[in-house]
Amino acid sequence: EPEVTQTPSHQVTQMGQEVILRCVPISNHLYFYWYRQILGQKVEFLVSFYNNEISEKSEIFDDQFSVERPDGSNFTLKIRSTKLEDSAMYFCASSPTPNYGYTFGSGTRLTVV
Amino acid sequence: GDSVTQMEGPVTLSEEAFLTINCTYTATGYPSLFWYVQYPGEGLQLLLKATKADDKGSNKGFEATYRKETTSFHLEKGSVQVSDSAVYFCALMGVFSGGYNKLIFGAGTRLAVHP
Repeated sequence: EPEVTQTPSHQVTQMGQEVILRCVPISNHLYFYWYRQILGQKVEFLVSFYNNEISEKSEIFDDQFSVERPDGSNFTLKIRSTKLEDSAMYFCASSPTPNYGYTFGSGTRLTVV
Repeated sequence: GDSVTQMEGPVTLSEEAFLTINCTYTATGYPSLFWYVQYPGEGLQLLLKATKADDKGSNKGFEATYRKETTSFHLEKGSVQVSDSAVYFCALMGVFSGGYNKLIFGAGTRLAVHP
């Protein structure tokens, strides 16, 4: 069964450093998403992406965050200057159409120290 | 705005017990409803879904019925196993500004099943 692949599975970074989280969505999917889950808390929407542009973003997704689909297969989330409160599990997801259930990746656990 | 409320956990059961995890939602229009499961150390997996009122989603012995009149989508399983121990998330997908959809999750309910 096709999978969404995320790398790395775990990243530790120092506060103020830039991080890039990588995702390879399912190849025929057109809609891409990032969610995050702070430990023990709710899964929160960050951003949705379609046709090479952001279609919606949450209030969490401020100027420190950006997304990109650099080469037609990868979908990346960049955090420009990490803060302690960015520590969370970040999930990438993709779907073939807007109303279909998403397929999630297994997540990247980001720890900011 | 749209939201999902789940019963608080943890839910602790013995093997072969009956499981119910309550989920209610608030939404404009007619959202699609989902249950996702997160096993320890893993990502979110779609367990089942229902796209319209009175639909029943089912998978791996779990089922949930979309009840518009009570705005509920309770998850049930007749006989749980130790391997069902996980966190279960109820979610809705509605149509938001610009016509693009996004999933809104409940807080999750941890299920622990003991032999």
